[in-house]
Amino acid sequence: NAGVTQTPKFRILKIGQSMTLQCTQDMNHNYMYWYRQDPGMGLKLIYYSVGAGITDKGEVPNGYNVSRSTTEDFPLRLELAAPSQTSVYFCASSEVGTLTGELFFGEGSRLTVL
Amino acid sequence: QKEVEQDPGPLSVPEGAIVSLNCTYSNSAFQYFMWYRQYSRKGPELLMYTYSSGNKEDGRFTAQVDKSSKYISLFIRDSQPSDSATYLCAMSETYGGATNKLIFGTGTLLAVQP
Repeated sequence: NAGVTQTPKFRILKIGQSMTLQCTQDMNHNYMYWYRQDPGMGLKLIYYSVGAGITDKGEVPNGYNVSRSTTEDFPLRLELAAPSQTSVYFCASSEVGTLTGELFFGEGSRLTVL
Repeated sequence: QKEVEQDPGPLSVPEGAIVSLNCTYSNSAFQYFMWYRQYSRKGPELLMYTYSSGNKEDGRFTAQVDKSSKYISLFIRDSQPSDSATYLCAMSETYGGATNKLIFGTGTLLAVQP
């Protein structure tokens, strides 16, 4: 059982370039999320999705876009990369109706924008 | 004032010590409290979950919530080098499901020295 898989694990981008971070989960979870983690700032929610075809903004959505065409996949698109987007990005999923709403995280994608 | 405050550490203790990790919060509507553990270069994973006030024990770990003081703690007894990680508190007003309202602390880095 792979859980949540993110690719790539590392990437260096030049300012103004675009890229897509891939995320797929094999647990049939309806809810999926993208977080960014910066030193001293904790995890901040970028976008989330409650099911295929439904997405919504989190706390820090500017500069990002998402889509959810299938239950399994939730890619995060960075348009016109900026140094402020240098961060570690985590994709997560959770199951509907659990007591804890436990988040299952991927291993992260480390992005540097130069 | 941040909604959730957490001492970033680092906290270094000898093997076998009792560790106390803490978070304070300002939103009195928080009812669900979680501790996530994050090993270096990995995604966070749920360690403990508590609802409202009180204590919850799981092996060497005890989670404590004091809603009157808006203060939560995680105690680790007989700490082991394998406990070395970053511990993130998280809290929410809402029950399970879509944790779009989950607020994370910044994390405390713990090092247990053999």
